Amino acid sequence: QKEVEQNSGPLSVPEGAIASLNCTYSDRGSQSFFWYRQYSGKSPELIMFIYSNGDKEDGRFTAQLNKASQYVSLLIRDSQPSDSATYLCAVIGLTGGGNKLTFGTGTQLKVEL
Amino acid sequence: DTEVTQTPKHLVMGMTNKKSLKCEQHMGHRAMYWYKQKAKKPPELMFVYSYEKLSINESVPSRFSPECPNSSLLNLHLHALQPEDSALYLCASSQDPPLAGVNEQFFGPGTRLTVL
Repeated sequence: QKEVEQNSGPLSVPEGAIASLNCTYSDRGSQSFFWYRQYSGKSPELIMFIYSNGDKEDGRFTAQLNKASQYVSLLIRDSQPSDSATYLCAVIGLTGGGNKLTFGTGTQLKVEL
Repeated sequence: DTEVTQTPKHLVMGMTNKKSLKCEQHMGHRAMYWYKQKAKKPPELMFVYSYEKLSINESVPSRFSPECPNSSLLNLHLHALQPEDSALYLCASSQDPPLAGVNEQFFGPGTRLTVL
């Protein structure tokens, strides 16, 4: 089982819709959870982080964490074509030395006009 | 300011060359990282420096040699690389090391390395 799993996509949503990106992780002791956006040929950009169960909102973005289910998600409201990118879920856990960021393989999001 | 800078943006080198990648941050961050990213793959951790000391080496071949001259600078020295080492090399920093405190990592723009 991979440490951090994401559906590779592509996930296609119409402009203005809500995009829902999902991520599961295997290390039950994981402490910190991050969402990065990466445009083709560019470096990852941190867009959200969450440490506690529940929801965290920042503008059009909402991160949701459920530690019991080992599940973290990112909702993007009012999706725009500029949101089209690969979204990387990343987790800091306790296994494998613990003190490192482990990335999922990323979900490609396409927002269509 | 959450800026991490990297130079050069692009680098082409032969297998016998020696070159260095540079990374700089002025945010007072105490942890710095090197990652390697191949096309359509997530970043892979190579090295972690915490408080200017190497704390993690992810079994990286010795042809990659990291150096942290001071708290703001991180170098990656390259020697006798192979074509399969061609990738985007990313530097990142965080205020605190991963398991302590404020551990969000911010990435630089990367160096696109091509080994001929």
